Amino acid sequence: DAGVIQSPRHEVTEMGQEVTLRCKPISGHDYLFWYRQTMMRGLELLIYFNNNVPIDDSGMPEDRFSAKMPNASFSTLKIQPSEPRDSAVYFCASSLVLEGKTQYFGPGTRLLVL
Amino acid sequence: AQSVSQHNHHVILSEAASLELGCNYSYGGTVNLFWYVQYPGQHLQLLLKYFSGDPLVKGIKGFEAEFIKSKFSFNLRKPSVQWSDTAEYFCAVNARGANNLFFGTGTRLTVIP
Repeated sequence: DAGVIQSPRHEVTEMGQEVTLRCKPISGHDYLFWYRQTMMRGLELLIYFNNNVPIDDSGMPEDRFSAKMPNASFSTLKIQPSEPRDSAVYFCASSLVLEGKTQYFGPGTRLLVL
Repeated sequence: AQSVSQHNHHVILSEAASLELGCNYSYGGTVNLFWYVQYPGQHLQLLLKYFSGDPLVKGIKGFEAEFIKSKFSFNLRKPSVQWSDTAEYFCAVNARGANNLFFGTGTRLTVIP
């Protein structure tokens, strides 16, 4: 398996623009997680899905952030409008409940909002 | 609520020194425990995990961890570190029946050649 795939790997955008991050989980996994990592705040869980259904979005910082999972093999995290404080590395991870929920992380998207 | 504490924020060792990174969690029930490593500029990778059985767990790259239930601890060890072990190390806990992992704040390890 190719592991968790994220795109783009790097994104530079200007404040106010819409940003869409993409994630393809490991095939067969039933959980998908979105995290944000910054030097100041460390690793933060934003939202997670189970069988494509959002379960907990309490970590989403504000309404500018939204996430969808239209099918088992694809998820998006959207920021609209983006702000400089959104600059971070965004990781997607997936897990399988039968594997004790071991999470496997994607390579991350490094976002810079100017 | 669950929480994970990693008290060492930054550890600096010389090559060949022994390593022990602390991890304590607060949850009274049954847990699954994990250590992840993040090399500079990379994503988190699983080092080892504990679900049940032998409390001494061996992982990749010579790392091991010991689960001590009475102390709510899952410390990571390596007898002899290498320069290539320079990375950030995260402890994580999943309460059985919960859906997500709770991560510690991470410990940065710097190994000096």
